[in-house]
Amino acid sequence: SAVISQKPSRDICQRGTSLTIQCQVDSQVTMMFWYRQQPGQSLTLIATANQGSEATYESGFVIDKFPISRPNLTFSTLTVSNMSPEDSSIYLCSVEDSNYGYTFGSGTRLTVV
Amino acid sequence: GEDVEQSLFLSVREGDSSVINCTYTDSSSTYLYWYKQEPGAGLQLLTYIFSNMDMKQDQRLTVLLNKKDKHLSLRIADTQTGDSAIYFCAEIPFTGGGNKLTFGTGTQLKVEL
Repeated sequence: SAVISQKPSRDICQRGTSLTIQCQVDSQVTMMFWYRQQPGQSLTLIATANQGSEATYESGFVIDKFPISRPNLTFSTLTVSNMSPEDSSIYLCSVEDSNYGYTFGSGTRLTVV
Repeated sequence: GEDVEQSLFLSVREGDSSVINCTYTDSSSTYLYWYKQEPGAGLQLLTYIFSNMDMKQDQRLTVLLNKKDKHLSLRIADTQTGDSAIYFCAEIPFTGGGNKLTFGTGTQLKVEL
């Protein structure tokens, strides 16, 4: 299965600042997905990132708050902008695996103070 | 809208079997998945089942699917302390565009000695 390297693994950030999370995949993939997991909650899809086009955002998520880049078929970034304590969550990237599953990165644990 | 529902918590003794249940939303979902999340870690795909199957066994794991009731279960035989984690079921609803995972609320499994 695909191997995803996600970083940073954790960060503590001041409110009002921005954090960019990176995901690197060891193989070329068409779609990459970004999820948020709020404390004690399940995963919610933020957006789907295709190479060469703008990301598609789910209801409740907007590009100004969560800009995404997808410069090539193995890499994507998610930026959490103008952070507030409510943005404290685990952020995970994911790719569709050829074996009918979806592989996830190890996650970025973000704390906003 | 409907949620993918799971019991929040399950406690078993080491060596016993664990059964984690899930009620999903879309009878047209093609694949259904079980993921494991250990503390501080990302998601690990445990197993999946195709919708034309009613059972799948993989070593200690048995997945049962009841399409009529939209019910999915994961049985872990001979549960070990290393199985303590949060377990998420997930589906890809047909109505969601065909490639977006929708996760259940998660079941925290605690294995006691």
